[in-house]
Amino acid sequence: AQSVTQLGSHVSVSEGALVLLRCNYSSSVPPYLFWYVQYPNQGLQLLLKYTSAATLVKGINGFEAEFKKSETSFHLTKPSAHMSDAAEYFCAVMGGDTGRRALTFGSGTRLQVQP
Amino acid sequence: DAGVIQSPRHEVTEMGQEVTLRCKPISGHNSLFWYRQTMMRGLELLIYFNNNVPIDDSGMPEDRFSAKMPNASFSTLKIQPSEPRDSAVYFCASIRSQGRTEAFFGQGTRLTVV
Repeated sequence: AQSVTQLGSHVSVSEGALVLLRCNYSSSVPPYLFWYVQYPNQGLQLLLKYTSAATLVKGINGFEAEFKKSETSFHLTKPSAHMSDAAEYFCAVMGGDTGRRALTFGSGTRLQVQP
Repeated sequence: DAGVIQSPRHEVTEMGQEVTLRCKPISGHNSLFWYRQTMMRGLELLIYFNNNVPIDDSGMPEDRFSAKMPNASFSTLKIQPSEPRDSAVYFCASIRSQGRTEAFFGQGTRLTVV
């Protein structure tokens, strides 16, 4: 069964610093990959997705992610953190080995941005 | 578009009571998903429907949980009887159609069973 691993349950960066949130997936067939953001007491909002087109994907709020098949990774980056980026971020997969149309989520990474 | 609408936003109930959570997907979306979020287990898929038909309910914890989708614009998740371990945030999400992959999530229902 496919799965998603997010390294680091908490990441803290200074405002203006690089943000790097790590995601690795397990699937013999490249799945669709997503990053979602969740603000406190809110639902999940899609940041970006990879669906077998360009391997470097740009999303909202200045975030981007690169699909690396050789590393089975889909890490999320942002060149310069802003205070408003503080939230929980989830990596998710769809399809892949199971072909299932539902999202399977990682455990999440809470991003703190220090002034 | 109003997005995925869930009700109620908050529910507090006593152990043993029946709880019904409601979801209205985005109009024109034909896949609907129920997720549960807890600190211990993260985001878990409970069940999903395609064209109102349950496709995968393997995530439903036990017989106390049931879900229905009587039409394309409404779904319910029922817990009977409720237990304190059911306390969680329950999310509903929908996707437009085959070939589309972007899931839109509701704001969630925070359930507390005391």
